[in-house]
Amino acid sequence: GPKVLQIPSHQIIDMGQMVTLNCDPVSNHLYFYWYKQILGQQMEFLVNFYNGKVMEKSKLFKDQFSVERPDGSYFTLKIQPTALEDSAVYFCASSLGDWGYEQYFGPGTRLTVL
Amino acid sequence: GQQVQQSPTSLVLQEGENAELQCNFSTSLNSMQWFYQRPGGSLVSVFYNPSGTKQSGRLTSTTVIKERRSSLHISSSQITDSGTYLCAMAYQGGSAKLIFGEGTKLTVSS
Repeated sequence: GPKVLQIPSHQIIDMGQMVTLNCDPVSNHLYFYWYKQILGQQMEFLVNFYNGKVMEKSKLFKDQFSVERPDGSYFTLKIQPTALEDSAVYFCASSLGDWGYEQYFGPGTRLTVL
Repeated sequence: GQQVQQSPTSLVLQEGENAELQCNFSTSLNSMQWFYQRPGGSLVSVFYNPSGTKQSGRLTSTTVIKERRSSLHISSSQITDSGTYLCAMAYQGGSAKLIFGEGTKLTVSS
């Protein structure tokens, strides 16, 4: 089936540094998402993105977070500066449409902030 | 707000037994997905099933919109079925974001 790729699979950084998580969505998909899962906890929605704009973001999507997809390349999640509580697995997803469409998930990037 | 309740929280089976996992949601939905999360954390899509019944091998999903529930049935469980099963839904009239349940941890032993 369609595949979403995420790079890197694991990232370790020091608190206060900037990190960029990369997502290569399914090629013809138009809607992109980030979800966050802290170890042992529930998966939670962060943000969705369409046509170059953030459509919706949750309370977890702090001011230090930003997303973009310049020129149809990677869909990225940038955190600047990082905090200890940002340690989690971040999953990217994409879908062809919004409501009622299946979302395809990547394998996740495990972010460890020291 | 919109909630997704999964039950049971955990389930221990002997190999060959059947499993029934439940997901209840609090409002009308646009989409319903079931995922299997490996012990290492990666997600595998099991079903996209916003309504009706779908089957794939030993797995069957049934979503009954009027009753606001979806189930995942695993027949003749195998040790390799062990892991966490997550359901997620996007609610009608809202955004496309998926709201996840807390998961059912399945352990199958020989």
